[in-house]
Amino acid sequence: EPEVTQTPSHQVTQMGQEVILRCVPISNHLYFYWYRQILGQKVEFLVSFYNNEISEKSEIFDDQFSVERPDGSNFTLKIRSTKLEDSAMYFCASSEARYQRGPQHFGDGTRLSIL
Amino acid sequence: GDSVTQMEGPVTLSEEAFLTINCTYTATGYPSLFWYVQYPGEGLQLLLKATKADDKGSNKGFEATYRKETTSFHLEKGSVQVSDSAVYFCALTVRPAGGTSYGKLTFGQGTILTVHP
Repeated sequence: EPEVTQTPSHQVTQMGQEVILRCVPISNHLYFYWYRQILGQKVEFLVSFYNNEISEKSEIFDDQFSVERPDGSNFTLKIRSTKLEDSAMYFCASSEARYQRGPQHFGDGTRLSIL
Repeated sequence: GDSVTQMEGPVTLSEEAFLTINCTYTATGYPSLFWYVQYPGEGLQLLLKATKADDKGSNKGFEATYRKETTSFHLEKGSVQVSDSAVYFCALTVRPAGGTSYGKLTFGQGTILTVHP
């Protein structure tokens, strides 16, 4: 069964540094998402991406965050200048269609630790 | 805004016990409801879904019924196994009346289930 893959599984970065989290969505999917889960808290929506542009973003997704689909297969999340509070598990997801027609498939996540 | 509330955890059961994990929601539009499961070290996997009132989602012995009148989507299983030990997340996505949304999921806080032999 096709799956969403994320790399790396664990990223340790110094505060203030840039970090790029990578995701390869399922190949025929059209909608892409990033979520994060701070330890002990809910999974929170960050951003959705469709047709090579952001379609929706949350309040968390400020100017320090950006997303890109550079080559038609990868989907990346960049944090420009990391803060301690960015430490979390970041999940990428993709779906074939919106809403109930296409459930979201998740990767195993990248654990981001900011020192 | 939209929100999902799950019962407090963790839940600890013996094998073959009956499981209920409560989930209630508030939504501004027409929600579709989901249960996701996360096994240790893995990502979120869709367990079941229901897209309209009175629908029952089912998979791997788990069931949940979309109850619009009580805004609930409780997860049940008649006889749990050790292999069901995981974190369970209730979630919704809303199709707003007249608005746009690109399918973002709103999650509950997750319920840790541990099943002992």
